[in-house]
Amino acid sequence: EPEVTQTPSHQVTQMGQEVILRCVPISNHLYFYWYRQILGQKVEFLVSFYNNEISEKSEIFDDQFSVERPDGSNFTLKIRSTKLEDSAMYFCASRNRGQLYNSPLHFGNGTRLTVT
Amino acid sequence: DAKTTQPNSMESNEEEPVHLPCNHSTISGTDYIHWYRQLPSQGPEYVIHGLTSNVNNRMASLAIAEDRKSSTLILHRATLRDAAVYYCIRGRGKLTFGQGTILTVHP
Repeated sequence: EPEVTQTPSHQVTQMGQEVILRCVPISNHLYFYWYRQILGQKVEFLVSFYNNEISEKSEIFDDQFSVERPDGSNFTLKIRSTKLEDSAMYFCASRNRGQLYNSPLHFGNGTRLTVT
Repeated sequence: DAKTTQPNSMESNEEEPVHLPCNHSTISGTDYIHWYRQLPSQGPEYVIHGLTSNVNNRMASLAIAEDRKSSTLILHRATLRDAAVYYCIRGRGKLTFGQGTILTVHP
């Protein structure tokens, strides 16, 4: 069964550094998402992306964050200058084009970002 | 605001059925009811979804109240692998997760 893959599984970075989290969505999917989960807390929506542009973003997704689909397969989340509070699990998700509102979201297993 | 209400935790014994309730009294007519689960150290996993009618798939069944203000996820025979946080989400498009129900399955 096709799956969403995320790399790296764990990223450690120093405060103020830039990080790029990478995701390979399922190949025929066209809607892409990033979520994050701070340890012990809820899964929080960050951003959705369709047709090479952001379709919706949350308050968390400020100017320090950006997303990109640089080629036909990758979907990336960049944090320009990391803060301690950015430490979390970051999940990528995708869904296919058909039946937008009732097609399941497929999640990757996440990248654990630790900011020191 | 996830706009659903679920019990914080539930327990079950292995091979017994589990009924996980969810209240979504403010649901709109076009909102789907989605269930996802999150196993330890994994990303959320789709379980089932529905709009008005009861739904069955290989993982579970979803029973939706006639007024759509509540629903129940039914795991017909719980296994140890079903121990997870179960999220009931109502909406369309992006999903807003709440705290979910922590399901513990005893051998």
